Amino acid sequence: QVQLVESGGGVVQPGRSLRLSCAASGFTFTTYPVHWIRQAPGKGLEWVAVISRDGRTEHFADSVKGRFTISRDNSKNAVYLQMDSLRPEDTAVYFCARGMGDILPQTRFFDSWGQGTLATVSS
Amino acid sequence: DIQMTQSPSSVSASVGDRVIITCRASQDISSWLAWYQQKPGKAPKLLIYTASSLQSGVPSRFSGSGSGTDFTLTISSLQPEDFATYYCQQANSYPLTFGGGTKVEIK
Repeated sequence: QVQLVESGGGVVQPGRSLRLSCAASGFTFTTYPVHWIRQAPGKGLEWVAVISRDGRTEHFADSVKGRFTISRDNSKNAVYLQMDSLRPEDTAVYFCARGMGDILPQTRFFDSWGQGTLATVSS
Repeated sequence: DIQMTQSPSSVSASVGDRVIITCRASQDISSWLAWYQQKPGKAPKLLIYTASSLQSGVPSRFSGSGSGTDFTLTISSLQPEDFATYYCQQANSYPLTFGGGTKVEIK
């Protein structure tokens, strides 16, 4: 079955970096884009970034643009979110999610999610 | 950016009740809207996509309607497992955006 597993969360000081990983299995990884979505404690959902199937196209939320980068390794069925210059407001559970189907804009719906990894930015 | 406004922010209902949640987009998004259900400590689950298409495995008591800027999620007969928070999300353009959520609580 489709499975997405996030890792790499933890506690980090403001201004430092963290790299999150998303390991995928149970489907043809190269067929789907992958998104990151976050949820601050007790708050709603915020879309963060997406990477296309071939890794050539990316989009970011304005709140993370210039600080976060996204990449994927199709040989390892993995997606990464590099988070630099972290701020306290980046504290959240980060979910990776599969984009639905292979036709735009349906790929902007999220049909499978990981369980999330908590990143805490605090001094 | 497209703003998504959900209402109500919370609703108290009983098992068997019909529940309607609304979502309004700040501009025309055609039918590029999804609904998700999230239970505490869990990842969200896709219920409805393209405004009215039921995701595989989702019970038929869930339905979605609307197009343009105004959308609704209807739960026809609320079940105990439906108590959760529901989010709408627009897929018309980046950045993708969610509504603020509607918490469905037990009356």
